[in-house]
Amino acid sequence: GAVVSQHPSWVICKSGTSVKIECRSLDFQATTMFWYRQFPKQSLMLMATSNEGSKATYEQGVEKDKFLINHASLTLSTLTVTSAHPEDSSFYICSAPLNRGRPSYEQYFGPGTRLTVT
Amino acid sequence: KQEVTQIPAALSVPEGENLVLNCSFTDSAIYNLQWFRQDPGKGLTSLLLIQSSQREQTSGRLNASLDKSSGRSTLYIAASQPGDSATYLCAVYGQNFVFGPGTRLSVLP
Repeated sequence: GAVVSQHPSWVICKSGTSVKIECRSLDFQATTMFWYRQFPKQSLMLMATSNEGSKATYEQGVEKDKFLINHASLTLSTLTVTSAHPEDSSFYICSAPLNRGRPSYEQYFGPGTRLTVT
Repeated sequence: KQEVTQIPAALSVPEGENLVLNCSFTDSAIYNLQWFRQDPGKGLTSLLLIQSSQREQTSGRLNASLDKSSGRSTLYIAASQPGDSATYLCAVYGQNFVFGPGTRLSVLP
């Protein structure tokens, strides 16, 4: 199967600091990865599409200067929450599509990272 | 813009019942539809993937159908068990990947 990992699984940080979250595809390569956030009892909201070797594509309303995305290799994407505030506290999940033949993408999700900003 | 809805929002049933969860989407131009389960505080587990050209997929006690023309998919869970308790999310892949709000299922022993 296809496995996606995230690190850390949870993090607590102080307001004003920056936090980096890693998303790795362990047994397949992903030129594209997706970052989502999820508030309690709500569904996942796509934040941005991470593209290997090029700039990320952000969804409307997502601040690109606040949520920095770097897709450094075919197996690693990072999301950095800069100058975090309590309202950034959320569950962040990444996914990577496995292309078994266009358009047959199946999304594999990481276990998520719970961020709490105090 | 694609919109995905799920009915019911929550469901509580006794163990052993057969269940139907519904998912609707507004734009039928999709490549596939995927059903996931999410346990509290956890990530997503993929259950079934239905290609746009397919009508249904089955995995164990789960069966998912897709009617692309009407923008509907159903997830059928047979002989429900307490371990099935979770939130079930459907997501459609078209121009991008859009999730429904989920159905919170509780199966009581």
